[in-house]
Amino acid sequence: QQPVQSPQAVILREGEDAVINCSSSKALYSVHWYRQKHGEAPVFLMILLKGGEQKGHEKISASFNEKKQQSSLYLTASQLSYSGTYFCGTELGTSYDKVIFGPGTSLSVIP
Amino acid sequence: NAGVTQTPKFRVLKTGQSMTLLCAQDMNHEYMYWYRQDPGMGLRLIHYSVGEGTTAKGEVPDGYNVSRLKKQNFLLGLESAAPSQTSVYFCASKWTSNTDTQYFGPGTRLTVL
Repeated sequence: QQPVQSPQAVILREGEDAVINCSSSKALYSVHWYRQKHGEAPVFLMILLKGGEQKGHEKISASFNEKKQQSSLYLTASQLSYSGTYFCGTELGTSYDKVIFGPGTSLSVIP
Repeated sequence: NAGVTQTPKFRVLKTGQSMTLLCAQDMNHEYMYWYRQDPGMGLRLIHYSVGEGTTAKGEVPDGYNVSRLKKQNFLLGLESAAPSQTSVYFCASKWTSNTDTQYFGPGTRLTVL
């Protein structure tokens, strides 16, 4: 039931772009994206609902392909502050009162 | 507005001891959650509640019990702690709708020796 994330880890230089993928074997109702800095609580980035929605947040955007049960998080022109672990959380179509998180993708942005 | 708070922040237990973790939120949220976070495993849902007086099992409920006697509080209990329960525990809450943001507490770091 836990979604799969790829890649597990990525290292970027400032200004480079990255894509983080999240996929599920079950039909999804929504996908949530969170970022967590070391030693801190996860912080909400955005929610996407089924319907092929795409959202943006500063230079971070995401898409949701309901048919493929996949979501992708796009980070463009990365900044040092983007470093952290990114989690996708999924709500299933049959049970949308709980969010199940993936294992996370560690993103490191270096000067 | 304190948001979501957790008590205690750190705790060390011996195997077999019991303890209760308290989560409190002042946002009048209906839904509350307990997650545990272990390296490489992400956040795994232990138990959750969709309203006062209700609880339900998540992905990894064994060894834990919960209670939601008041809307603003969600308690997580360990009756007989085991080293495998060493983890960081996060509480989260949200209003109701499936489109709502989950707000996380700062976490409790628990070590079981």
